[in-house]
Amino acid sequence: DAGVIQSPRHEVTEMGQEVTLRCKPISGHNSLFWYRQTMMRGLELLIYFNNNVPIDDSGMPEDRFSAKMPNASFSTLKIQPSEPRDSAVYFCASSLGPTNEKLFFGSGTQLSVL
Amino acid sequence: RKEVEQDPGPFNVPEGATVAFNCTYSNSASQSFFWYRQDCRKEPKLLMSVYSSGNEDGRFTAQLNRASQYISLLIRDSKLSDSATYLCVVPLSGGYNKLIFGAGTRLAVHP
Repeated sequence: DAGVIQSPRHEVTEMGQEVTLRCKPISGHNSLFWYRQTMMRGLELLIYFNNNVPIDDSGMPEDRFSAKMPNASFSTLKIQPSEPRDSAVYFCASSLGPTNEKLFFGSGTQLSVL
Repeated sequence: RKEVEQDPGPFNVPEGATVAFNCTYSNSASQSFFWYRQDCRKEPKLLMSVYSSGNEDGRFTAQLNRASQYISLLIRDSKLSDSATYLCVVPLSGGYNKLIFGAGTRLAVHP
């Protein structure tokens, strides 16, 4: 079975540009999570969805960040406009449901904003 | 107090050694706990779950002390392949699995 699939693996962009990160969760998983990882702050939960509905977006740093899940097999995390401090590894993860705590992570997107 | 705190390490140990990591958490209502392993430049992967007082899986033992609000991970007979960062994970209460990750403890096993 395919795991969580993220694209792109690497993204280099200039400050001010729009960045869109993509995620395909494991088929049958009903919960999806976006995390950001930096050396300074570790893994931070940005937002999570259950059955395509955003449940908690309190971790989204500011209005420049937005996330959508139009259907059960696809989610996007958008940053507009991007800033150098957004540089990090962004992970998408999925789990079977809201009370299943085993997360399966994608390989992540390494974002560099110059 | 941070929600989840870990000693960042690094722990440098020789092959065959026994090493233990501790993790403290602030939410006394948490019922289940996890250790994830993250290799360099890779995604985190679940290593062990801890639902009661402890759990053992081969060379790995996780123990929970609810009174003191800490969990530990013990690795016996360390292998070179155990070199990684170990993340302590605690779910917040509220019906949804909002997992809080610790900053991680780095382990380096040398020959």
